[in-house]
Amino acid sequence: TQLLEQSPQFLSIQEGENLTVYCNSSSVFSSLQWYRQEPGEGPVLLVTVVTGGEVKKLKRLTFQFGDARKDSSLHITAAQTGDTGLYLCAGRYSGGSNYKLTFGKGTLLTVNP
Amino acid sequence: NAGVTQTPKFQVLKTGQSMTLQCAQDMNHEYMSWYRQDPGMGLRLIHYSVGAGITDQGEVPNGYNVSRSTTEDFPLRLLSAAPSQTSVYFCASRQGAGETQYFGPGTRLLVL
Repeated sequence: TQLLEQSPQFLSIQEGENLTVYCNSSSVFSSLQWYRQEPGEGPVLLVTVVTGGEVKKLKRLTFQFGDARKDSSLHITAAQTGDTGLYLCAGRYSGGSNYKLTFGKGTLLTVNP
Repeated sequence: NAGVTQTPKFQVLKTGQSMTLQCAQDMNHEYMSWYRQDPGMGLRLIHYSVGAGITDQGEVPNGYNVSRSTTEDFPLRLLSAAPSQTSVYFCASRQGAGETQYFGPGTRLLVL
């Protein structure tokens, strides 16, 4: 079973602070996605990265895919209360099913006013 | 365009009862899947379908059945509910393997 480790599991910060969450695996991904999930709702896709070393920006969110395609990070600049939620990474492994996504357990972010 | 819809939103069952969780999408997506989400476990794939008439097992298929008679609908059946099936169930769909996956709002199931 391929595992996707996310850290930290919980993160509580003040509005305006910066933060980084991580997603790691011992296996190589063909692609990796980041989702945000708010309480009582389904996950919503934020970004997909496919190329080693790729960096994508979505307003104050910066996503990076590791050179070896085994890890990824999500950096939030000047966090806002609206960033509060569960952040999930999900990967499609090289050599695995083209359809199946493996999800990490998530990072629960709380941004306090 | 309603996206992915799921019914019911909440359900309480007794051990041994059966029920069907409904999922429908109006985006003409070929790929549909069912996940369960448990505290500290993330999302785990139960069953998935790559088109009408085609289904396959995911990571945790035991105790669940699926069928895909139309492109739009992908119901999940619990044949004999167990307390271990208490969870939040999400249905998702996407057009192709690498395309954006859209999730429904979830069904919260409690088995007593």
